[in-house]
Amino acid sequence: GAVVSQHPSWVICKSGTSVKIECRSLDFQATTMFWYRQFPKQSLMLMATSNEGSKATYEQGVEKDKFLINHASLTLSTLTVTSAHPEDSSFYICSAPVRTAGEQYFGPGTRLTVT
Amino acid sequence: GQNIDQPTEMTATEGAIVQINCTYQTSGFNGLFWYQQHAGEAPTFLSYNVLDGLEEKGRFSSFLSRSKGYSYLLLKELQMKDSASYLCAVRARQSNYQLIWGAGTKLIIKP
Repeated sequence: GAVVSQHPSWVICKSGTSVKIECRSLDFQATTMFWYRQFPKQSLMLMATSNEGSKATYEQGVEKDKFLINHASLTLSTLTVTSAHPEDSSFYICSAPVRTAGEQYFGPGTRLTVT
Repeated sequence: GQNIDQPTEMTATEGAIVQINCTYQTSGFNGLFWYQQHAGEAPTFLSYNVLDGLEEKGRFSSFLSRSKGYSYLLLKELQMKDSASYLCAVRARQSNYQLIWGAGTKLIIKP
């Protein structure tokens, strides 16, 4: 149990375009999901907390108008990178907490390359 | 402030035992988690401690001392596939599931 899927696994896009990444909890419901970004050889950086039915909570320094998050159902959260720039190239990972302890289960990640 | 410290890198030999330490200073404490992350992949959950003591799961064990703000992950009978980064994370607040993450310890296993 506790499987999180993410799509696409990798994407290449041109500068100025938008990219949507989907995160799904396959065998449980997730009222909360987390979006992380990870640059090569660096640690996870929390970008935002996605809440089902309400607005996402963004971490300091993360532009909410650039990284649009929608959590429309209990099993799906989406992250849209708008007007992508090469510096947005990174590994984007979503996670969802499970059970009372709150251990997070991660999707496999999306590698975004902006040319 | 919130702070989690782990060694940046460790090296060990195949078949041996290695202990990865983690110390934390957080505003609250509602559990400590260990994750494994292979290069280019997402983290996978290894263990959870909320009470003092040792939790054993096969070759992996995790220990917690809340009074010392200290945990360790013990890996026995090391295998080459254990080469990965190991992340320590603390859930500081009961009210939400957000975790505070350490920078991770890169473990290199040599034959």
